[in-house]
Amino acid sequence: GNSVTQMEGPVTLSEEAFLTINCTYTATGYPSLFWYVQYPGEGLQLLLKATKADDKGSNKGFEATYRKETTSFHLEKGSVQVSDSAVYFCALSESRNNNDMRFGAGTRLTVKP
Amino acid sequence: EAGVAQSPRYKIIEKRQSVAFWCNPISGHATLYWYQQILGQGPKLLIQFQNNGVVDDSQLPKDRFSAERLKGVDSTLKIQPAKLEDSAVYLCASSLDLLNEQFFGPGTRLTVL
Repeated sequence: GNSVTQMEGPVTLSEEAFLTINCTYTATGYPSLFWYVQYPGEGLQLLLKATKADDKGSNKGFEATYRKETTSFHLEKGSVQVSDSAVYFCALSESRNNNDMRFGAGTRLTVKP
Repeated sequence: EAGVAQSPRYKIIEKRQSVAFWCNPISGHATLYWYQQILGQGPKLLIQFQNNGVVDDSQLPKDRFSAERLKGVDSTLKIQPAKLEDSAVYLCASSLDLLNEQFFGPGTRLTVL
């Protein structure tokens, strides 16, 4: 079945460092790919998404490119801030009605000043 | 715009007891989801409603879990009787309809002793 594997955390970086959180997926068809973020004490929020191969999703300085050849959707940010400290979840969905959403285990990011 | 509301935020019960969680989606959102998030794992979809009808409950353990959305707005999720392995965060999400972005509530953290 469909699944998502993302790098284990926790990840600790200094402010202004470069961030990469790896995500790879297994799917039978052509899924949409998502990154969600969960800030402390809050619900999950959609950060960015990509619906087809070679699409790049971007938001708040974060980017991820849908790579079909490597089945990957790695999250990157050039310069992290303390406010980016959160848990990041990679997810995929193949169905149009999102009832097959599969999430990775989450990666906790802590950014120190 | 008010977000997805959930209550209670925390609940501690003993095994074999019953518990209920409540969710109030964003006004006007037709689709409502319940997820279970076990510590260290990503959220897993339990049930999906479209208005007051069930779209998908294939991953709901129906011998002990039940959910309803009688008037197509608020929803309750019940566990009866609870087991130790039900300890998790229960997330509610809503979307305008089946094809749109999901907005998540803050979750209810359940501890079963």
